[in-house]
Amino acid sequence: DAKTTQPPSMDCAEGRAANLPCNHSTISGNEYVYWYRQIHSQGPQYIIHGLKNNETNEMASLIITEDRKSSTLILPHATLRDTAVYYCIVRVAHTNAGKSTFGDGTTLTVKP
Amino acid sequence: GAVVSQHPSWVICKSGTSVKIECRSLDFQATTMFWYRQFPKQSLMLMATSNEGSKATYEQGVEKDKFLINHASLTLSTLTVTSAHPEDSSFYICSARLPTTEAFFGQGTRLTVV
Repeated sequence: DAKTTQPPSMDCAEGRAANLPCNHSTISGNEYVYWYRQIHSQGPQYIIHGLKNNETNEMASLIITEDRKSSTLILPHATLRDTAVYYCIVRVAHTNAGKSTFGDGTTLTVKP
Repeated sequence: GAVVSQHPSWVICKSGTSVKIECRSLDFQATTMFWYRQFPKQSLMLMATSNEGSKATYEQGVEKDKFLINHASLTLSTLTVTSAHPEDSSFYICSARLPTTEAFFGQGTRLTVV
């Protein structure tokens, strides 16, 4: 799996958009970008994934650059409950789903 | 999404005893389950891959005789920490998936060995 680089921490005001960046410059053509988050003392929660097109679901949007070397997870209206560690992972699709290599992630703190 | 449940959520045991942690997929049959360990302020580290009906595959550095994994059915995998010691105290997390779906994680089990 390709290595990812994320800032260790970010703050965001409640109600504002949270934009979490991830660099994955060594990503391979068949590797997807996955995002998970882990709220304190809980298991990771799947957020979203994509290959090259931008993706949106009820939780977030994923913007992947055209060269696929970086991506941004966007939480459009952050709430206090979005405070968590956010992990960006790249791996080959669902065939390896679950066997994920977690980096250090970004600790997002949403402040009132 | 699908539900993966771990039991217990937390456990305290005496040094030298064994502890069993269960991971169940509640609404789907999981051919593969994964076990992770997470120490305080650190990221998740994969310990082993558990395949139903076959022996688990352990990651380098993980003692298979200490961390016994059994995946006897498509909905249940167990991790037994044998002869637990304080350094085994950690947050243990499982995940489960079908072959073509995203993996879902359990809520984790906090093990404290005293």
